[in-house]
Amino acid sequence: ETAVFQTPNYHVTQVGNEVSFNCKQTLGHDTMYWYKQDSKKLLKIMFSYNNKQLIVNETVPRRFSPQSSDKAHLNLRIKSVEPEDSAVYLCASSSGTEVFFGKGTRLTVV
Amino acid sequence: LAKTTQPPSMEAYEGQEVNVSCSHTNIATSEYIYWYRQVPHQGPQFIIQGYKDYVVNEVASLFISADRKLSTLSLPWVSLRDAAVYYCIVTGWTGGYKVVFGSGTRLLVSP
Repeated sequence: ETAVFQTPNYHVTQVGNEVSFNCKQTLGHDTMYWYKQDSKKLLKIMFSYNNKQLIVNETVPRRFSPQSSDKAHLNLRIKSVEPEDSAVYLCASSSGTEVFFGKGTRLTVV
Repeated sequence: LAKTTQPPSMEAYEGQEVNVSCSHTNIATSEYIYWYRQVPHQGPQFIIQGYKDYVVNEVASLFISADRKLSTLSLPWVSLRDAAVYYCIVTGWTGGYKVVFGSGTRLLVSP
């Protein structure tokens, strides 16, 4: 059973809307990530947090912003979504070696 | 930018042994090699990791070349459930782990 929990599983929204995805890990890990998996199944890292501190911020549009209240939570907010944001967003956590992934949130922008 | 290169796809029959190769020519001395697999509608799952030589667990074995620039994941006796995309990644601690995935190898298994 996964120990990285993401909500919602699916989300359909219109261009220009704001969406938020939640992620919680119960593994006690210090590092959490957000990945985007596009239609070609490529996994691209977006953000990495270590103990609530942002350590990796890949080149993503400004409308994407991660939010971390504590090291067990890392949410992702997208302001004014665009069609190219349609993808699966995967949250993950790591203790330093093995990385555990959630099941993902599938976003469809219409 | 992914630091690994894998064949895009492979095919096998049930019961065969499958070897998936991965090239990581710029691997740093601090980096380890990890293999994950992903089935549809699920996040990637850890299979095995290694630093050098040969590693084996209950699921797979991993051979790493002497110069560490090439690794091979070996799956014995594949079944239909092993059909997935297999990702090879290299990463190490740099104040946090930056885990970057390549495009993976899609394994097709036929009965």
